[in-house]
Amino acid sequence: QVQLQESGPGLVKPSETLSLTCTVSGGSISPNYWSWIRQPPGKGLEWIGYIYYGGSTSYNPSLKSRVTISLDTSNNQFSLNLRSVTAADTAVYYCARERVGATSAAFDIWGQGTMVTVSS
Amino acid sequence: QSVLTQPPSVSGAPGQRITISCTGRSSNIGANYDVHWYQHLPGTAPKLLIYANANRPSGVPDRFSGSKSGTSASLAITGLQAEDEADYYCQSYDSSLSGSVFGGGTTLTVL
Repeated sequence: QVQLQESGPGLVKPSETLSLTCTVSGGSISPNYWSWIRQPPGKGLEWIGYIYYGGSTSYNPSLKSRVTISLDTSNNQFSLNLRSVTAADTAVYYCARERVGATSAAFDIWGQGTMVTVSS
Repeated sequence: QSVLTQPPSVSGAPGQRITISCTGRSSNIGANYDVHWYQHLPGTAPKLLIYANANRPSGVPDRFSGSKSGTSASLAITGLQAEDEADYYCQSYDSSLSGSVFGGGTTLTVL
């Protein structure tokens, strides 16, 4: 069955770029939507954005100016870049598969999550 | 502040029935977009519990059920068990934001 695993630095300095990778195993990265979701300490879940295997993307308007999600089909991976980070970007970051239908989309498979702290 | 509104906490004794509400607006739940529910235990990956308002993925007990009406949705858990203690989140799509939105989460305590 499909499994997801996030990887990347656990500590990022303010104003720098947070970069995470999600590796998809047990299945193909296509044809699916792949998302990033985060949870700041003590707060709820926040959708960051998705990329479709064809390359199209959609981002949360509140993060759109700082976010890029990209795909590496040869390695069955997708990545998140979040620029100009501040302490408010400290969170557990999850990657997830998004099953899109006519009237909504559900996240049916999630990675275990990785904690990223923004601090100097 | 989350786009979808959930009560911060609910509680119930073992064996009882509880419900968790999720209130949205005309750009999400009220626009006929589906509502999905997740169970989240600290330190683990969130688990899809109910999809498309009232459907259970394979392996989810029928003690869990979902419903939707107007601009709101509900998750019901019957025969409450200690293992049900977790955070529960609703999620839908919002046309004004062009993306997925979550509720703030509800912490379930089994007394």
